[in-house]
Amino acid sequence: EDQVTQSPEALRLQEGESSSLNCSYTVSGLRGLFWYRQDPGKGPEFLFTLYSAGEEKEKERLKATLTKKESFLHITAPKPEDSATYLCAVQAPGVDTGTASKLTFGTGTRLQVTL
Amino acid sequence: DTGVSQDPRHKITKRGQNVTFRCDPISEHNRLYWYRQTLGQGPEFLTYFQNEAQLEKSRLLSDRFSAERPKGSFSTLEIQRTEQGDSAMYLCASSYKTSGGSNEQFFGPGTRLTVL
Repeated sequence: EDQVTQSPEALRLQEGESSSLNCSYTVSGLRGLFWYRQDPGKGPEFLFTLYSAGEEKEKERLKATLTKKESFLHITAPKPEDSATYLCAVQAPGVDTGTASKLTFGTGTRLQVTL
Repeated sequence: DTGVSQDPRHKITKRGQNVTFRCDPISEHNRLYWYRQTLGQGPEFLTYFQNEAQLEKSRLLSDRFSAERPKGSFSTLEIQRTEQGDSAMYLCASSYKTSGGSNEQFFGPGTRLTVL
């Protein structure tokens, strides 16, 4: 069964204090690893997809990297508006169809950035 | 262009009542997914459709849950005889299937269900 573990559960940073969030995964035949941002009471907002080990993607202050066992979301010089829960998810071939389908999510990292 | 929309945004019901939620995906997307999220947890997969065909259902989906996508456009999720344990945020997502198989899923705002 696919498993995703995110750490830490919660992280408090001061504005400008860079850090990294971790996502460890176990999956048979990774089709994609996804990062989402979720604000309270809202649906997840897509950030990145990574497909193979060694791949990196960047967007503003965020950079996502992927190895064969884990992914990191690096946050450089965060601002208060980066405060949110960051969710990691993996996509594997569907059991019944063989094509990529559902996402399996971790429990997220709650990030708070203060002035 | 509008994103994924869900209706209603909030629903309060009494235990034992039936509820139905609607999801309108991004117009060109052929895949539609339903997830459930409880406080402090990540979304959990419930079911998904490719066009009008329901291709996969989670073992979490009891007989009280049914989903349809009659014309391959919008979808409904019905919960019969609701229980307090059904209280959660119900999220809908859509994507466009590509030949490569993996594709980004875009989520709606969710429907918050409270069962009293």
